[in-house]
Formats: sequence, C-alpha cells, structure tokens
Amino acid sequence: QSALTQPASVSGSPGQSITISCTGTSSDVGGYNYVAWYQQHPGKAPKLMIYDVSNRPSGVSNRFSGSKSGNTASLTISGLQAEDEADYYCSSYTSSRTRVFGGGTKLTVL
Amino acid sequence: EVQLVESGGGLVQPGGSLRLSCAASGFSFSNHWMSWVRQAPGKGLEWVAIIKGDGSEIYYVDSVRGRFTISRDNAKNSLYLQMNSLRDDDTAVYYCARGPAGWSDYWGQGTLVTVSS
Repeated sequence: QSALTQPASVSGSPGQSITISCTGTSSDVGGYNYVAWYQQHPGKAPKLMIYDVSNRPSGVSNRFSGSKSGNTASLTISGLQAEDEADYYCSSYTSSRTRVFGGGTKLTVL
Repeated sequence: EVQLVESGGGLVQPGGSLRLSCAASGFSFSNHWMSWVRQAPGKGLEWVAIIKGDGSEIYYVDSVRGRFTISRDNAKNSLYLQMNSLRDDDTAVYYCARGPAGWSDYWGQGTLVTVSS
C-alpha cells in the first residue's frame, strides 16, 4: 500500500488561504468518501480536523474545510493564523479495509 | 472526558518482542474500533492495525502482518499490540487511537519503541 502524495511544504501569510492536496488512487481516495485530515504540532499527538472528506469534528474551526475531486482530496485553511503552523496529514480508507496516510505537509505561517 | 494512555514502550534488541498497552476511559470502549498508528523519528504517520469493537475483525498493514498482533480486553477497557521479530525500522512512537478505518478522533500521547542493539 503506497502512501498518499502530499506536498512537502506550503506557506502563507496571516489572513491568507492555503490549500494542501492529497493524491491517491481509485483504491483509496477516489473510491471512498473516507478521507480525513490531521494537524500535528511538534511533540504532540495528531488532532482530527476533517473526516469523511468534508466534515468537521465538534470544536474545529470553520476556517478548515475539505473537499475531493477524483483521486485528489484537498484541505483548505482560510484566514491563516500563527497557531495553524503545524504538520498536516491526510488519510484514506482503502479497498484492503486498511488506512493509508499521506507523507505529511509542513505548513509555515510567514 | 475521553482518555487513551499508552504504556509498554522501551528499548529492545532486533528480533525481540514487546507488548504495548492502551488504557481507555471516558467512553464505551467496546462500541468502538481501535487502531495503532506509529511515527518513526522525524517521519510521517503510518497506520499499523485496527480491531473492531467486539474483536471480530482485524486488519494489518503489510509490513507488520505475521509479526504484530492487535487485541483487546473490553472488560478491562484495554487495547494491546504484541510485537514480535522486531526490526530496526519498527522504531517509532506508537499511538493508540479511537475510530473506524476511515479516521481516528481521539489519540493517546504515544509510547516510544526503540529497536537497537
């Protein structure tokens, strides 16, 4: 099972919007609406930000949104804030009934 | 409050074994799928294994199948990961996490497993 493909890094200024892509195959991202996104600050456990492509768990800011088109999912963060600086990982359910993660994207808030 | 607390990590030699535990509280443990996810130092997340609430379904990532065994004791609200034939590349922080295969909504703080001679 190959990892999903994410850009290694993205950056943006406070107040701007950024989008992180996550590309898989028809056996994972493209085949199911079970894409999730996680935020991880250094030394901390991951935090679920988006599940089932576009749903936000209770307590997650509405500045975070998710979408999917074909084999590529996207996480958009609007109104960037300094606290958003972190690593972001996508994941997807797969046809093998397992889960696969992306390689991670480091978000820098300039 | 949902809490997941891992334990059992440590230093082990290549080829050795280790058993990780995860104590769960604050929710109905038996009603939830549970996973183990690991993160090698400075690397990304890797999903390891998952078990259904009643233990009737179990799935593994290819790299650990046949070496690792996930299990649970619902009477003790505990999740386990028995790791055998450990290799250098199994070195990682191991997290237990609640949720189905699609996502995990609560994570423990992690326990470090170091495989080295």
